Amino acid sequence: AQTVTQSQPEMSVQEAETVTLSCTYDTSESNYYLFWYKQPPSRQMILVIRQEAYKQQNATENRFSVNFQKAAKSFSLKISDSQLGDTAMYFCAFMGPYGGATNKLIFGTGTLLAVQP
Amino acid sequence: EPEVTQTPSHQVTQMGQEVILRCVPISNHLYFYWYRQILGQKVEFLVSFYNNEISEKSEIFDDQFSVERPDGSNFTLKIRSTKLEDSAMYFCASTPQYEQYFGPGTRLTVT
Repeated sequence: AQTVTQSQPEMSVQEAETVTLSCTYDTSESNYYLFWYKQPPSRQMILVIRQEAYKQQNATENRFSVNFQKAAKSFSLKISDSQLGDTAMYFCAFMGPYGGATNKLIFGTGTLLAVQP
Repeated sequence: EPEVTQTPSHQVTQMGQEVILRCVPISNHLYFYWYRQILGQKVEFLVSFYNNEISEKSEIFDDQFSVERPDGSNFTLKIRSTKLEDSAMYFCASTPQYEQYFGPGTRLTVT
């Protein structure tokens, strides 16, 4: 069974600085999808970024980028130029190869990020 | 931009009562999900739904739970006889294939 581990329960960063959130996962699949979701205090789940395992290039979305190390089964999220609005719980999630209704998201336990002014 | 909507935003019910949580997925999406998040814990998969039937369900999704898509837009989660431990945030999500888009959630409080 697939598992997702986030070993940093809480992190803090100063506004405008860069922070990296860690995620590791375990799977026997060769193709799969990885996601980072953001959950602000409103508790809405917001998709931040997605990575396909068959792509070697790391995904980027504006200030958000990932470092995907397939052999190490590691998927970290880097937030550059941190802003106060980035304060939230961040969840790493895994999805198997087929998408659609055959694959649910498996979430890690989350990292609570606080951006300090 | 289209989004997933959920109603109500907060539901308080007494133990043993039935509740129905409602979701309107994004209109061209084909796959629908319910997830649950107990306060302070991670998000857990409950059930996935496609082509008017359940595709997969978790161990949490026992006989007290049911889902249906009564018309072309709504997707509902029913809990027949609520327990205290059902208190949680319930999220609906939909996807055209891979990226799942979540609704704002329904906070269910069972007293």
